[in-house]
Amino acid sequence: NAGVTQTPKFQVLKTGQSMTLQCAQDMNHEYMSWYRQDPGMGLRLIHYSVGAGITDQGEVPNGYNVSRSTTEDFPLRLLSAAPSQTSVYFCASSLESDGYGYTFGSGTRLTVV
Amino acid sequence: SQQGEEDPQALSIQEGENATMNCSYKTSINNLQWYRQNSGRGLVHLILIRSNEREKHSGRLRVTLDTSKKSSSLLITASRAADTASYFCATDSNRDDKIIFGKGTRLHILP
Repeated sequence: NAGVTQTPKFQVLKTGQSMTLQCAQDMNHEYMSWYRQDPGMGLRLIHYSVGAGITDQGEVPNGYNVSRSTTEDFPLRLLSAAPSQTSVYFCASSLESDGYGYTFGSGTRLTVV
Repeated sequence: SQQGEEDPQALSIQEGENATMNCSYKTSINNLQWYRQNSGRGLVHLILIRSNEREKHSGRLRVTLDTSKKSSSLLITASRAADTASYFCATDSNRDDKIIFGKGTRLHILP
């Protein structure tokens, strides 16, 4: 039982490049979400999904896309990387959105130069 | 804007003392959760308290919730060096499925 797996752990991108951050969970959790963490800002919600085929925007969705074709996977796509997207990205999942704690991945540290 | 705001932003106490941190939020909630994050790691779920509960315990942790004041507190008793971490509250609004985190309290336990 691996929990929530994020890949890669580290990534350096050039401005304008695109990439996909991967997130997979093996706990049959319906609810998955992506956060970014910046110094002094806590965690900010980017996108979330309440189940396969359903996604919605969080607090800071601009510049990011998501899809949820399966229950297990919830990739985050950066369309055209900008230095402002330099951050640590966390994926998290829970059984449902209401009443259950999150299991977090170990994070992806992204630097955009 | 962020739903939860923790207070204080940083806290240093001697090992063995109790640590209290607070969380205030803006809109009505279904649940409030507390998480711990050790430096450079992912967050770990500590405790969840529902809107119809006033107090909950888990080991050395005690969480209270006052929905009339839209606030919660996390008490860690008999602190240990291993408690050094950042602590975050998270709320899920009863209007949507978003779970929103505050900015966190950095707790440092002094030997």
